[in-house]
Amino acid sequence: GAGVSQSPRYKVAKRGQDVALRCDPISGHVSLFWYQQALGQGPEFLTYFQNEAQLDKSGLPSDRFFAERPEGSVSTLKIQRTQQEDSAVYLCASSLSGGSYEQYFGPGTRLTVT
Amino acid sequence: RKEVEQDPGPFNVPEGATVAFNCTYSNSASQSFFWYRQDCRKEPKLLMSVYSSGNEDGRFTAQLNRASQYISLLIRDSKLSDSATYLCVVNQAGTALIFGKGTTLSVSS
Repeated sequence: GAGVSQSPRYKVAKRGQDVALRCDPISGHVSLFWYQQALGQGPEFLTYFQNEAQLDKSGLPSDRFFAERPEGSVSTLKIQRTQQEDSAVYLCASSLSGGSYEQYFGPGTRLTVT
Repeated sequence: RKEVEQDPGPFNVPEGATVAFNCTYSNSASQSFFWYRQDCRKEPKLLMSVYSSGNEDGRFTAQLNRASQYISLLIRDSKLSDSATYLCVVNQAGTALIFGKGTTLSVSS
């Protein structure tokens, strides 16, 4: 079956621009996670949804980062007024229910802020 | 101090070698433990879960020591295709995964 998909796969933004990154989880997966992976680092948690409810956003680095999942399926991560330190790969993962179940990762969106 | 610490390597080994990776975690409330594999410019993929009793999957053996808060991964008879970054991962309260920085393995012929 189809896995987690993300778009765009690559995004170049000029400093100060807003960007929107999309995640399509595996159909029927209740939980959706966003992670940020900087070069040479492991992924770091940003935020977590169970259906349409955002249960944890403690990992969002600033109020320029905003995520939503209005109908409990597709999710969008928005970054306003991008800065160079936002350059990273943004990974989306979904799981049947919570993180105790296996999380399946999408291919990621590589964001470069110039 | 990071919650999950790993030796970043790189580990350079010949085909057929046995290699071991270690990891420590700081939060004693961690409930679930995993090893993920990440190929260059790809997403992480679950390699195996880690159980207190230790578990084996083919050439891969994982061990967990809760008292020492220590996790290990042993790869026997290394193959070229094992070259990747291995991420030690813990999970608390069934939500976010906490990743280590990863250990890079390069297997050469």
